[in-house]
Amino acid sequence: SSELTQDPAVSVALGQTATITCQGDSLRKYYASWYQQKPGQAPLLVIYDKLNRPSGIPDRFSGSSSGDTASLTITGAQAEDEAAYYCNSRDSSGNHVVFGGGTRLTVL
Amino acid sequence: QLQLQESGPGLVKPSETLSLICTVSGDSISSPHHYWGWIRQAPGKGLEWMGAIFYTGSTYNSPSLKSRVTMLVDTSKNQFSLRLNSVTAADTAVYYCARLGRSGSSDWFDPWGQGTLVTVSS
Repeated sequence: SSELTQDPAVSVALGQTATITCQGDSLRKYYASWYQQKPGQAPLLVIYDKLNRPSGIPDRFSGSSSGDTASLTITGAQAEDEAAYYCNSRDSSGNHVVFGGGTRLTVL
Repeated sequence: QLQLQESGPGLVKPSETLSLICTVSGDSISSPHHYWGWIRQAPGKGLEWMGAIFYTGSTYNSPSLKSRVTMLVDTSKNQFSLRLNSVTAADTAVYYCARLGRSGSSDWFDPWGQGTLVTVSS
């Protein structure tokens, strides 16, 4: 079982805001990073170190954190944003990497 | 442009050892700023971190796989490798290599290789 918990599925209407959450005790101390994975493709980093966006990632993707929960927000979701999203961080010991179980985002 | 490419057998027999190599191009694996990691994904499942290695050879591994995983780095070839012994069908997965960035408070993988499917079957 993962130390980071994500909702299995989230849906959002086209053009609306989607929020995907990642919960875990370690997030009180460590930051989350987020990945987008489309079918048959490798994961793509979309947010790192809680709120930083790699070059080439649209600014509709943003990250935040509060307490034991990190959030990925997609403001104005597009059809191409339909994918699985994974968070990762460190475990409670700080010595290992952990991934959340993933959230499948559907854009309606 | 940094690229990573996994290579190795696509089929491994149960109880044998899975061996993969990740070739890095566009950056030196001897960078003091990054680790290099392995992540796998069983069919239809989520991502599982396996371990990471520094160019000095220092490693840290997933506790659940620690006793079965060996990672090595070859700076002369700009490659790092993964060996997973005593494999079972549960080790069937797409195996990814990726560069691991670290700050004081987080870790992130970017970029990723395209992944290679390894099937464990007799």
